[in-house]
Amino acid sequence: DVKVTQSSRYLVKRTGEKVFLECVQDMDHENMFWYRQDPGLGLRLIYFSYDVKMKEKGDIPEGYSVSREKKERFSLILESASTNQTSMYLCASSLIGGNTGELFFGEGSRLTVL
Amino acid sequence: AQTVTQSQPEMSVQEAETVTLSCTYDTSESDYYLFWYKQPPSRQMILVIRQEAYKQQNATENRFSVNFQKAAKSFSLKISDSQLGDAAMYFCAYRSPLYNTDKLIFGTGTRLQVFP
Repeated sequence: DVKVTQSSRYLVKRTGEKVFLECVQDMDHENMFWYRQDPGLGLRLIYFSYDVKMKEKGDIPEGYSVSREKKERFSLILESASTNQTSMYLCASSLIGGNTGELFFGEGSRLTVL
Repeated sequence: AQTVTQSQPEMSVQEAETVTLSCTYDTSESDYYLFWYKQPPSRQMILVIRQEAYKQQNATENRFSVNFQKAAKSFSLKISDSQLGDAAMYFCAYRSPLYNTDKLIFGTGTRLQVFP
């Protein structure tokens, strides 16, 4: 079975803290994504990566950075967390040349910034 | 830029009945992909069904089928014989053919409740 694992299901952080959200996939997928999910706004793409060390900004990259040092791992970094970054964060991966548009998602990380 | 609109924030259906979730999109492209994803409570989002725009035939996956109206830019999901396990958030999504990276544009979602 395909597996996308997000390291933390729930996090509570303070304003100004540096936050790391980790995502690991075991399917040898080239593409990895970080989405943010908010009620009434759906899923919005923060960053994606199509290869190791390669990254591209999505629709809402401000306040976030990413790291992809290994193919299976894609990290989302909040350099200085703010209350407006309180949200559900979803990691996903997909295979280049696989079923087009089939993303495999993790269970999500719910971040609260106080 | 492409947009995806889901105008029904919530829907409800009785078990065994049929329900249709609406989705419209805006694009100037002629070839693209459309998807419905399901997010059960506290569980991973999964792909339900996919439609390729160049295919005229509506996609079907067991109890799930779509009504794809390309000219109207409409892509609705029909769930037949609804089951309690169908209760979830459903997201409509669009993929441009210009990208090889599966970058999807999602709608705002429809929460489906299923009553026994």
